[in-house]
Amino acid sequence: GAGVSQSPSNKVTEKGKDVELRCDPISGHTALYWYRQRLGQGLEFLIYFQGNSAPDKSGLPSDRFSAERTGESVSTLTIQRTQQEDSAVYLCASSLDGPPRFFGPGTRLTVL
Amino acid sequence: AQSVTQPDIHITVSEGASLELRCNYSYGATPYLFWYVQSPGQGLQLLLKYFSGDTLVQGIKGFEAEFKRSQSSFNLRKPSVHWSDAAEYFCAVGNSGGYQKVTFGTGTKLQVIP
Repeated sequence: GAGVSQSPSNKVTEKGKDVELRCDPISGHTALYWYRQRLGQGLEFLIYFQGNSAPDKSGLPSDRFSAERTGESVSTLTIQRTQQEDSAVYLCASSLDGPPRFFGPGTRLTVL
Repeated sequence: AQSVTQPDIHITVSEGASLELRCNYSYGATPYLFWYVQSPGQGLQLLLKYFSGDTLVQGIKGFEAEFKRSQSSFNLRKPSVHWSDAAEYFCAVGNSGGYQKVTFGTGTKLQVIP
């Protein structure tokens, strides 16, 4: 595709449910990032992938959060047993290497 | 821990006027510094980056930024603003550990008036 895509664009879920957020990076981009942006706050680093490996998982807020990447392409961010404080916009970005270059439109997650 | 401060939440400038957006960072070593732009309805995009060398870096869309170590600043500038520059601008700092863990500021929203 022409840019980074994310799905779904919006997700409303009930507290305690699991959710999966998907990111399709720009083709050929080996670096992939996940960020979270809570209302009125800056971007919060979650995880970084180089290829299919995640050398830095330090940003994941708790063990309820996990992410994987396959085929050096699509990545999935999974949040188990969602809590209301998980409500945020989850952003994915990709680049050939180095810093995030292009971001997707984000998934707005609302936990009721 | 690295951090970024953008002291201006909202800035309004007239079209054709010059622009400077402020950014201050905190980092123990030589930082990698970035500016991103988020135009309405679009995703964030990298405007420019500083890794080393010349402290004045040029970016896309006519933007430039200057790294000043003594002031821990990396301010973004443009000589003449266009209406299409209205957007939110994010300053960011990254580490040099072989990969780029990038920490973002809270952003400055730029409004351009005719």
